Amino acid sequence: GQQVMQIPQYQHVQEGEDFTTYCNSSTTLSNIQWYKQRPGGHPVFLIQLVKSGEVKKQKRLTFQFGEAKKNSSLHITATQTTDVGTYFCAGPPGGNEKLTFGTGTRLTIIP
Amino acid sequence: NAGVTQTPKFRVLKTGQSMTLLCAQDMNHEYMYWYRQDPGMGLRLIHYSVGEGTTAKGEVPDGYNVSRLKKQNFLLGLESAAPSQTSVYFCASTSWGGYNEQFFGPGTRLTVL
Repeated sequence: GQQVMQIPQYQHVQEGEDFTTYCNSSTTLSNIQWYKQRPGGHPVFLIQLVKSGEVKKQKRLTFQFGEAKKNSSLHITATQTTDVGTYFCAGPPGGNEKLTFGTGTRLTIIP
Repeated sequence: NAGVTQTPKFRVLKTGQSMTLLCAQDMNHEYMYWYRQDPGMGLRLIHYSVGEGTTAKGEVPDGYNVSRLKKQNFLLGLESAAPSQTSVYFCASTSWGGYNEQFFGPGTRLTVL
């Protein structure tokens, strides 16, 4: 079945440094979604990418969807303490009835 | 609108006991999902439903049963709890399968002793 891997599993950065997490799927995706989960909270939808090579920005966050639609990345510029949490990518494993979530990247910020 | 709600928020069971987790959504969504989250494992799909009266198995369905008798409710049952089912359980809903954003409930933290 489809597998969605994320690297790194953990990332510790100084406040103000940049952060990137990478997502790789074993199969081509019709779309990819990104979610953020704060410590003790539940996943919250951030964005969806649909087109090959698509790039979307949300303030300091930049999301990319690979040309082959099998990988994606999330880049945060100048991290802040509010960015702390676990970031998940997710994509439909064919059939579009459900999502397969990546393993997540946990971001911690050193003030 | 309350969005997606889950009851209970916390529960401690002894091995062999049974329980039902309730998920309710007020967004008129067709699709509903039950996930479990364990440290370092991400979110794993247990069961899901594509509409009232339907259910389907996800990635880790063993030891769980579900029912979707009403469109707004999705129940997750554990017939005979085991320590391996200690986890945080999240319910989610969406209007259109893998193409739309999923809305998650606050989660249920279950401990099986």
